[in-house]
Amino acid sequence: GAVVSQHPSWVICKSGTSVKIECRSLDFQATTMFWYRQFPKQSLMLMATSNEGSKATYEQGVEKDKFLINHASLTLSTLTVTSAHPEDSSFYICSATRAGATYEQYFGPGTRLTVT
Amino acid sequence: QKEVEQNSGPLSVPEGAIASLNCTYSDRGSQSFFWYRQYSGKSPELIMSIYSNGDKEDGRFTAQLNKASQYVSLLIRDSQPSDSATYLCAVNGDDYKLSFGAGTTVTVRA
Repeated sequence: GAVVSQHPSWVICKSGTSVKIECRSLDFQATTMFWYRQFPKQSLMLMATSNEGSKATYEQGVEKDKFLINHASLTLSTLTVTSAHPEDSSFYICSATRAGATYEQYFGPGTRLTVT
Repeated sequence: QKEVEQNSGPLSVPEGAIASLNCTYSDRGSQSFFWYRQYSGKSPELIMSIYSNGDKEDGRFTAQLNKASQYVSLLIRDSQPSDSATYLCAVNGDDYKLSFGAGTTVTVRA
């Protein structure tokens, strides 16, 4: 149990366009979902925390207008990178927690974004 | 954000040996502790969680927690080449967030 999927697994887009990444909990209802970014040979950097039906909470330094997060249901959260630039190229990973195990985070497989 | 520090790597061990990973944390109020394994180019995978002082064993993995010393460790017994990965220590913080250490890269030599 506790499977999280992400789509797409990789995406290449042109500078100035927007990209949407989906995160789904497949076999449980996610009380909270998290979005991380990871650059090569660095640890995870938390971008934002989202709960179903409420606005996401962004970490300091993360532009909420650039990284739009929508948590439409207990099993789906989306991250939209708006007006992407090459410096946004990174590995984006979502995670989810479930009721009764609220500190255990289960990670999706990640989405590798390349902006050309 | 709460600080989590891991022993610097990389750690190289021969196949069949024990790999020992250490982690200290700054927030004495932390209650939940996790070890994640991350293969190169992949996302982290939860391999151990521990909540009370003492040892917790799961297969070849043993997690040890000492809240008084603010220390958590992971032992990998009978290390296999497939254990070669980066291991992340994580500690609960506020609002269900986890604070992650920088990770220790383990290489198991065949």
